[in-house]
Amino acid sequence: AQTVTQSQPEMSVQEAETVTLSCTYDTSENNYYLFWYKQPPSRQMILVIRQEAYKQQNATENRFSVNFQKAAKSFSLKISDSQLGDTAMYFCALCTGTASKLTFGTGTRLQVTL
Amino acid sequence: KAGVTQTPRYLIKTRGQQVTLSCSPISGHRSVSWYQQTPGQGLQFLFEYFSETQRNKGNFPGRFSGRQFSNSRSEMNVSTLELGDSALYLCASSLEAGGHTDTQYFGPGTRLTVL
Repeated sequence: AQTVTQSQPEMSVQEAETVTLSCTYDTSENNYYLFWYKQPPSRQMILVIRQEAYKQQNATENRFSVNFQKAAKSFSLKISDSQLGDTAMYFCALCTGTASKLTFGTGTRLQVTL
Repeated sequence: KAGVTQTPRYLIKTRGQQVTLSCSPISGHRSVSWYQQTPGQGLQFLFEYFSETQRNKGNFPGRFSGRQFSNSRSEMNVSTLELGDSALYLCASSLEAGGHTDTQYFGPGTRLTVL
């Protein structure tokens, strides 16, 4: 069975600052994919970033980057130059093999303040 | 390209009734997955359909069922509704063209309230 743990229920960051959201996971599979999704208040879930487990290089998407530590089963998300529009619930998710079944963490509510 | 669409967006039902939710995937996407989101249980996988066949199923009672049509559109049905079925139901689609895991793209969800 797969598990995903997000230990930070809420976080706050000032505009233009950098924040890191933590995620740890557990799976016995060798072939898996990790995702960060963002769910703004009353709006739909959108993909932030994706990481294939077989790739050693950390994924980046503009202001968003991950620190993927495969041995430690850790997958943190760094948001640089935080913007008010980054305020949302952030979910870490795991998908193994070819199965289209995401296992989600409990989420981290991020508030970006002025 | 249009995103994943879900209808209806909001639904109010009473206990014991049944409900059908609809999902239209992104054009060309062949896999549709359904998730239930509640404050208490978080996001939980319901089932996944690929080429009109249920490929994966989560740990939900048989009252929850689904199907996929030849155009990849999917419906899920919940019979004999219970108060605990109140949730946001999310549909996600992915391409699944090459046998590897593609990214899932989510719709806006259907908010179901059971009274």
